[in-house]
Amino acid sequence: SQTIHQWPATLVQPVGSPLSLECTVEGTSNPNLYWYRQAAGRGLQLLFYSVGIGQISSEVPQNLSASRPQDRQFILSSKKLLLSDSGFYLCAWSKGPAQANYGYTFGSGTRLTVV
Amino acid sequence: SQKIEQNSEALNIQEGKTATLTCNYTNYSPAYLQWYRQDPGRGPVFLLLIRENEKEKRKERLKVTFDTTLKQSLFHITASQPADSATYLCALGGSARQLTFGSGTQLTVLP
Repeated sequence: SQTIHQWPATLVQPVGSPLSLECTVEGTSNPNLYWYRQAAGRGLQLLFYSVGIGQISSEVPQNLSASRPQDRQFILSSKKLLLSDSGFYLCAWSKGPAQANYGYTFGSGTRLTVV
Repeated sequence: SQKIEQNSEALNIQEGKTATLTCNYTNYSPAYLQWYRQDPGRGPVFLLLIRENEKEKRKERLKVTFDTTLKQSLFHITASQPADSATYLCALGGSARQLTFGSGTQLTVLP
C-alpha cells in the first residue's frame, strides 16, 4: 500500500535561518507531488507541485523553493526564513496523469513557527 | 480570478440530524470536485469525488451533489455523530494538475 512520510512534525526556527522539509512517498511510482501551506483557520495554499524528477512548478513567488531529487522525494527549502513563513506545511501526492479519478493523499504536516 | 466559498466557517448540529455543507465557486469550470475531512493538526483525508457529468455521489452516510449551473456542491452527512466533528474542505480540479481548495467549514456535532 502507498504511504507518505513527512517530517519533522513541528519546528521552531529563528528568523533568517534556513529551512528544509522533506517528504517521501512509498508504494507508488511517478506520483504527482505537492507542497501546500495552511495558515490558521484558512484554506490550503498551493506552493509547489511536481510531475516528475527535477520538474517543479511554483504557484506563489516567495521566499521558498522546492526540489525533487528522486521520484518519490520532495523537499521544501528556504535560505532565510521570514516571520510570515510560519504555518502548517502539508505534502501530498496523487496518481498522475489520471488524477481526476483519485483524491490526494496528504502527509501529517509540519507545524513551522518562525520566531 | 477563481474563487471558492464554503458556507459559514462553523456549523453546529445535533447528533442524529443531517449536516449540509455548501461549496460555491465562481470564475471556474471544474471537471470534478472533491471533499476532504481535516482533523485538528492533521492533514486532510480524501472522502469523495464527483465529476461534472455526475449529479450525485454516495458513500455510506455521505452524499455529494454537483450543480454546474448553480456552480455549487452540497455535502451531506446523514445520521451525524460526534465523531463526524471536523473541518470539511471542498476542492476543485480541472485540466490543471493541481487542486484548488476552499477554506473549509468546521462542523461540530453535539451529543
